[in-house]
Amino acid sequence: AQSVTQLDSQVPVFEEAPVELRCNYSSSVSVYLFWYVQYPNQGLQLLLKYLSGSTLVKGINGFEAEFNKSQTSFHLRKPSVHISDTAEYFCAVSERDYKLSFGAGTTVTVRA
Amino acid sequence: EPEVTQTPSHQVTQMGQEVILRCVPISNHLYFYWYRQILGQKVEFLVSFYNNEISEKSEIFDDQFSVERPDGSNFTLKIRSTKLEDSAMYFCASSVDRTGELFFGEGSRLTVL
Repeated sequence: AQSVTQLDSQVPVFEEAPVELRCNYSSSVSVYLFWYVQYPNQGLQLLLKYLSGSTLVKGINGFEAEFNKSQTSFHLRKPSVHISDTAEYFCAVSERDYKLSFGAGTTVTVRA
Repeated sequence: EPEVTQTPSHQVTQMGQEVILRCVPISNHLYFYWYRQILGQKVEFLVSFYNNEISEKSEIFDDQFSVERPDGSNFTLKIRSTKLEDSAMYFCASSVDRTGELFFGEGSRLTVL
């Protein structure tokens, strides 16, 4: 069975500063990796995914993530955040099936 | 852009009452799911549904829970006799295939008093 650890529960950041959200996973098999975002009072929206191929994945809203197999990590980054990026971010993994295991989430608060 | 829609957005019920949460998945999707998120906790898998039957269910999905696709568009989650600990946000999701790229609805918040 897989598990996901998001190392930071809260990340405060100033507008236009860079942000990195850390995610580590454990699994005995090959996995697919995802980042979802949840804006206040909204559902989960897919930011980006890694299925195979290039380990650097670009997503929506200027986010990117890098899959590191040796470190079993899938950290999310954005070089310059906006107020509108204030949200909760979830890392998720699936063992190449439909069942996602989610991390506990990281709350990003962007301040002016 | 096609989306998964869920109703109601918020339901308050008394303990022991039956609740039905409704979902309309994206029209060409074949796999349907329910997840839930208890306040302050992780999003958890409940059940997956394909070809008119349950594909997999978690240990949370006990005999009090059931799912149904009563017609070509709706996908419902029924809780027969709600308990306080069923209070959570319930997310419906759908996907085209089994690669795990799920599209989620906005959730139905269930409050059991």
